[in-house]
Amino acid sequence: QVHLQESGPGLVEPSETLSLTCTVSGASINNRGCSWGWIRQPPGRKLEWVGSFHPGGNTYYNLSLTSRVAISVDTSKNDFSLRLNFVTAADTAVYYCARRLDYRGFDIWGQGTLVTVS
Amino acid sequence: DIQMTQSPSTLSASVGDRVTITCRASQSISSWLAWYQQKPGKAPNLLVYKASTLESGVPPRFSGSGSGTEFTLTISSLRPDDSAIYYCQQYDSYSLTFGQGTKVEIK
Repeated sequence: QVHLQESGPGLVEPSETLSLTCTVSGASINNRGCSWGWIRQPPGRKLEWVGSFHPGGNTYYNLSLTSRVAISVDTSKNDFSLRLNFVTAADTAVYYCARRLDYRGFDIWGQGTLVTVS
Repeated sequence: DIQMTQSPSTLSASVGDRVTITCRASQSISSWLAWYQQKPGKAPNLLVYKASTLESGVPPRFSGSGSGTEFTLTISSLRPDDSAIYYCQQYDSYSLTFGQGTKVEIK
């Protein structure tokens, strides 16, 4: 059974860097045929895709965040991380990591972690 | 970016009603559309992918249809447990986008 778990600070100061890690169990993040992504949701608002990496391929980011965001992968730990620089209050959100099988939607999600910028 | 527009924003229906949610894309996305259900405080749950393929374990009262720029999610007979927010999401482009959500309430 595939399981994803987000971890990281719940409070970040304005202009600092938000850093989160998604630990994957039950599947290898090296497996082709899927991608791994970050999605966020400000309180009371819609879902917003942040970015995704494709094993053996490229990493893609939301165009509105591309100057501030980076996703990195640690295959030895089977996890992937999100860094978002120069955060503001507008970056306050629940951050989810999720798996998307090719040609499908995000089928496995972490429970989400609330990050507050203040 | 491809913009996704859902309608209505909120709908209220009775148990047993047939409910339809519409999602429109700003350009053709073929059938590369997914639907999710999200309940308060929970992660979204994938219901439908490739516009009309039901995810494993999803009750058959849910169905999706459409292609190109117009899509629908239908609940054939609304149940109390279906009270939630429903989102569409396109994956035709590597830059993924979600609709703004449709809140389904039970009368």
